[in-house]
Amino acid sequence: EVQLLESGGGLVPPGGSLRLSCAASGFTFNNYAMNWVRQAPGKGLEWVSAVTGSGSTTYYADSVQGRFTISRDNSKNTLYLQMNSLRVEDSAVYYCAKDAVYGVQPRDWFDPWGQGTLVIVSS
Amino acid sequence: EIVMTQYPATLSVSPGEGATLSCRASQSVSSAVAWYQQKPGQAPRVLIFGASTRATGIPARFSGSGSGTEFTLTISSLQSEDVAVYYCQQYNNWPQFTFGPGTKVEIK
Repeated sequence: EVQLLESGGGLVPPGGSLRLSCAASGFTFNNYAMNWVRQAPGKGLEWVSAVTGSGSTTYYADSVQGRFTISRDNSKNTLYLQMNSLRVEDSAVYYCAKDAVYGVQPRDWFDPWGQGTLVIVSS
Repeated sequence: EIVMTQYPATLSVSPGEGATLSCRASQSVSSAVAWYQQKPGQAPRVLIFGASTRATGIPARFSGSGSGTEFTLTISSLQSEDVAVYYCQQYNNWPQFTFGPGTKVEIK
């Protein structure tokens, strides 16, 4: 069974940093692109970032470009999201999500999703 | 950026009745649309991909249709466990994935 388990969320002041992790199991991790998607309280879904299976290429939404860094350690089956210069509007549940189809690029729907980790940016 | 619009925002349906949810893309996305169901306190799960293909384990009462810019998710006979928010997503313009704002389905 494919499982994704996020961790690392918490309360951080504006301008602070946080690193999220997503531990993956049940599939050959380096064969799939991975994504981060966030959901602000009571709001909809927003794609944040993606990384290819090898980790060599990364993609970002304009709203986080230059502040967030996605990476992966294929030897540990773990996905990361380093978040710097955090803003109040970055407060959300952050989900990691696996690209549904075997392949290098993040070009498909997401399946499955982890349960999410809550990030609150507040003074 | 491709903007996804969903309507209605809220849908109240009697048990056993059908429900039709709509999603419109601001430009053609071919058939690269997925539908997700999100129940309160849970992560989203995929129902439909490729606009019309049911994901593994999804009941047959869920069906999807459409191509280009207009898409529909139909629940043929609403069950109480179908109360959720439903999101459409385009992945044609990868990796700039975008989601619609969601349709909340309630029991009347």
